[in-house]
Amino acid sequence: EAGVAQSPRYKIIEKRQSVAFWCNPISGHATLYWYQQILGQGPKLLIQFQNNGVVDDSQLPKDRFSAERLKGVDSTLKIQPAKLEDSAVYLCASSYQGGFFEGYTFGSGTRLTVV
Amino acid sequence: AQKITQTQPGMFVQEKEAVTLDCTYDTSDPSYGLFWYKQPSSGEMIFLIYQGSYDQQNATEGRYSLNFQKARKSANLVISASQLGDSAMYFCAMRVDNTNAGKSTFGDGTTLTVKP
Repeated sequence: EAGVAQSPRYKIIEKRQSVAFWCNPISGHATLYWYQQILGQGPKLLIQFQNNGVVDDSQLPKDRFSAERLKGVDSTLKIQPAKLEDSAVYLCASSYQGGFFEGYTFGSGTRLTVV
Repeated sequence: AQKITQTQPGMFVQEKEAVTLDCTYDTSDPSYGLFWYKQPSSGEMIFLIYQGSYDQQNATEGRYSLNFQKARKSANLVISASQLGDSAMYFCAMRVDNTNAGKSTFGDGTTLTVKP
């Protein structure tokens, strides 16, 4: 089966600019996650979708970050305006139903550098 | 709140030897799952192994095994017969809340280097 697709692979922007990341999960996976991984740290959950509904966005900086998952398939994460501290790898992951025994399948991530 | 602690920032192991990567966790929820992921330099995280809190036996997947000690709240990963391709970052993660699509909490990882 095809894996989790993410694009772009790399992005460099200036602070205060906007950026968008795209993710296409494994076909049939109901649960989709966006994680932020700062260099030297473990991934931190930004937002979790179950089909096209938001399950958890408690750690999403809503004043600048937004995400959507229209039709319960692919998803877009946006940052507007970007800050220097947003420099990180943005990982998208999916799982079949989000059961607590299910491992995630991750994409290759988008490495964002804000200058 | 859940917490994962990985106390070894970096580990070295000789090729073909076994290595143990430490992970301790903290949760008050009686039902949870523990996971290990591998992140090579390419960046993509790969799911390795899972252990449920009610599982009686330690999980094994090929050369990977999970040494689960519930009373100590530890879930160490054991890699047997290390290979050069095992050099990567390894993350321990935990998930609680099986009544909803539960999120995983990750530790800060351990960098493993396998020496030839």
